[in-house]
Amino acid sequence: GAVVSQHPSRVICKSGTSVKIECRSLDFQATTMFWYRQFPKQSLMLMATSNEGSKATYEQGVEKDKFLINHASLTLSTLTVTSAHPEDSSFYICSARGAGFVHNEQFFGPGTRLTVL
Amino acid sequence: LAKTTQPISMDSYEGQEVNITCSHNNIATNDYITWYQQFPSQGPRFIIQGYKTKVTNEVASLFIPADRKSSTLSLPRVSLSDTAVYYCLVGDTDKLIFGTGTRLQVFP
Repeated sequence: GAVVSQHPSRVICKSGTSVKIECRSLDFQATTMFWYRQFPKQSLMLMATSNEGSKATYEQGVEKDKFLINHASLTLSTLTVTSAHPEDSSFYICSARGAGFVHNEQFFGPGTRLTVL
Repeated sequence: LAKTTQPISMDSYEGQEVNITCSHNNIATNDYITWYQQFPSQGPRFIIQGYKTKVTNEVASLFIPADRKSSTLSLPRVSLSDTAVYYCLVGDTDKLIFGTGTRLQVFP
């Protein structure tokens, strides 16, 4: 199957700093990428959808100025958590889909665990 | 997107068949039924998808009755490595909305 990578896998930062997470589709062109976050023992929550070359579409309740998403190429999307605070500590997961994928099929990255001190 | 209801947790033993049922009473005509598997601290993995009747792949089978208001994911002869959370999703768009999922625990 298609492979999606994320970097870094784990990051610890101080409160008030910004953190960038990269999501790459390694063997296919991702027409659409998605960002989720997941708190312990909870389900995934969709944060935003991004299409290459256009602005991301954020889900209700997700602050677009705090979670900056850039999808500059067909293989790379980045999520920047600006002015991170302890409540932003979570597991962030990206996914991607490309041409020819079946309905509702997305390939997920391994996730990035963010801890804000 | 159609809301789904599935058991919060299930227990099984190695070698048994596990059936996880998902209810989706307000499924729309264009909706597909998709199941994902997630291991701890990993991203979900696509398992199987169907529209009606039965679908089988190398990992699982998906049974969908004629009214499509429910579906059953069947895992044959589970092993310890099948311990995971299983999500049932229903929709016809690119956007996936995850419900609570079913936490399957397989014991030796």
